Amino acid sequence: QKEVEQNSGPLSVPEGAIASLNCTYSDRGSQSFFWYRQYSGKSPELIMSIYSNGDKEDGRFTAQLNKASQYVSLLIRDSQPSDSATYLCAVPPFTGRRALTFGSGTRLQVQP
Amino acid sequence: NAGVTQTPKFQVLKTGQSMTLQCAQDMNHNSMYWYRQDPGMGLRLIYYSASEGTTDKGEVPNGYNVSRLNKREFSLRLESAAPSQTSVYFCASSRGPLDYGYTFGSGTRLTVV
Repeated sequence: QKEVEQNSGPLSVPEGAIASLNCTYSDRGSQSFFWYRQYSGKSPELIMSIYSNGDKEDGRFTAQLNKASQYVSLLIRDSQPSDSATYLCAVPPFTGRRALTFGSGTRLQVQP
Repeated sequence: NAGVTQTPKFQVLKTGQSMTLQCAQDMNHNSMYWYRQDPGMGLRLIYYSASEGTTDKGEVPNGYNVSRLNKREFSLRLESAAPSQTSVYFCASSRGPLDYGYTFGSGTRLTVV
């Protein structure tokens, strides 16, 4: 089982809709979770982090964490074409190597 | 405001050739990382350096070596390039090993023929 799993997509949503991106992880000890956005041909950039169960909101972005289900999601409200990118879920190790493990990413396409 | 600088941006190598990918950061970060990104496989950790003077293997270290030259610079060397090493390579840095807000360089697109 991969440490971090994401549906590769593409996830296609119309402009103005809510985009829902999902991520599951295998290490029950994981304490924090990160969402990076990567535009085509560019490098990843951090957009959200979440540390506790529940929701965390930042502008049009909401991260949701359910540790019991080992599930983290990213909601993008009022999706814009400029949100079209690949979204990478990342999890730090609970033990061992001290660097983020990334999922393979979900490609989001927002249709004008 | 350079952040993390990687050179070169593009490189084509023949099988068996060697090369070094350079990475430098000007943010006074302690930790630095090398990842490779292949289609459908996300970012995979090659090596990391939690602090100056230390380096550790990541998920896919075979065929690579690293040098943490000083606090600013972390280089990745391919001793004998293979077609399987065709990839996009990203260097990243963070304030410390428990800071997961990484700053990434712009990447090096490497093709081995």
